[in-house]
Amino acid sequence: NAGVTQTPKFQVLKTGQSMTLQCAQDMNHNSMYWYRQDPGMGLRLIYYSASEGTTDKGEVPNGYNVSRLNKREFSLRLESAAPSQTSVYFCASRGGAYSPYNEQFFGPGTRLTVL
Amino acid sequence: AQTVTQSQPEMSVQEAETVTLSCTYDTSESDYYLFWYKQPPSRQMILVIRQEAYKQQNATENRFSVNFQKAAKSFSLKISDSQLGDAAMYFCASLTGYSTLTFGKGTMLLVSP
Repeated sequence: NAGVTQTPKFQVLKTGQSMTLQCAQDMNHNSMYWYRQDPGMGLRLIYYSASEGTTDKGEVPNGYNVSRLNKREFSLRLESAAPSQTSVYFCASRGGAYSPYNEQFFGPGTRLTVL
Repeated sequence: AQTVTQSQPEMSVQEAETVTLSCTYDTSESDYYLFWYKQPPSRQMILVIRQEAYKQQNATENRFSVNFQKAAKSFSLKISDSQLGDAAMYFCASLTGYSTLTFGKGTMLLVSP
């Protein structure tokens, strides 16, 4: 069981470039989430997918798009990266037999720098 | 909207001593869950302890326990017999409704020998 995996672990972009962060979980979870973590701000929800085929905005969705490709995979896309999107990005999942108490399981994070 | 407040940006404790991290939350929901997550320098988010709001008994996991005061909307974490490996950022979080977590800004715990 790999849990929640994210690729890449590190990425440097130039302003205006695009990229997609990948996330996959092997726990058969229904719900998946994308957060960003900035110094002194805790984790803030960007988008989430309560179940396959649905996505919803979180607290800070501007500048991002998501795709729930299937039950396992949930990607986050930056169409035109900006320095304000420099952050650490976490994917998480929840649901099913592995999380009877509603906890979310987190991936290892992606550190993104936009120059 | 939910809010979670951690008023201590940084706390220090000596090995083998006890430390308490504070957290207050605000929600209009009657059914919710509360969590403490640990984030060591590796960045990995690790669940430390959870509390269901409908349970009056405080949760305990080995050296970690909580003091859940529902009326005061307070959810503090007590770490007993602190160890060097406990040094990390600790986040308090609440979960309601559509299962989205709201996090506090975190408390950095320093542990000295």
